[in-house]
Amino acid sequence: GESVGLHLPTLSVQEGDNSIINCAYSNSASDYFIWYKQESGKGPQFIIDIRSNMDKRQGQRVTVLLNKTVKHLSLQIAATQPGDSAVYFCAENPDNYGQNFVFGPGTRLSVLP
Amino acid sequence: DAGVIQSPRHEVTEMGQEVTLRCKPISGHNSLFWYRQTMMRGLELLIYFNNNVPIDDSGMPEDRFSAKMPNASFSTLKIQPSEPRDSAVYFCASRPRGGSYEQYFGPGTRLTVT
Repeated sequence: GESVGLHLPTLSVQEGDNSIINCAYSNSASDYFIWYKQESGKGPQFIIDIRSNMDKRQGQRVTVLLNKTVKHLSLQIAATQPGDSAVYFCAENPDNYGQNFVFGPGTRLSVLP
Repeated sequence: DAGVIQSPRHEVTEMGQEVTLRCKPISGHNSLFWYRQTMMRGLELLIYFNNNVPIDDSGMPEDRFSAKMPNASFSTLKIQPSEPRDSAVYFCASRPRGGSYEQYFGPGTRLTVT
């Protein structure tokens, strides 16, 4: 399996800098969101999630911000490392049952040495 | 834990042939999902099962696609007959009962239909 997306938006950051990846979601009724990371040749991997009753959640080196007013999510990665190079997807859950997630198109993050 | 296992990892077949993709979810997980990933459409949910029962197959593109889950540890996605536009990476994912909605993805099967 491989990541796809020759035409994906690309974000290039210098190693050690902070990265901010943005995502606009479509359904105002969505109440749960997940960020996934997909490395080349692998399936998506969970990074962090957030519920709609929160506007910020922090993990290890990552922070997710949610702005429900404008239906916008962002993923912040602190001190970006070469291993962070991947495609990042946001996924929204519009059906309140946590099963049927709708994935965004993805953003490719390239970490420059 | 071996994670979600998919086979084959790569499949090349000719148009009109039957293709069967296989998935073994993580032991103890009770939900299983099949996704398709293409350049044009990104990652799309095809079908998902809860406790081996298909819950939502609205993402299955057409009748040529079918999925089964005969038991908690095995699922298949079948395409018959296959067409070139079916070429994609197919992912299987599983989720444990309750708690987080995190889905654990397999490595995918890259299908090429010529």
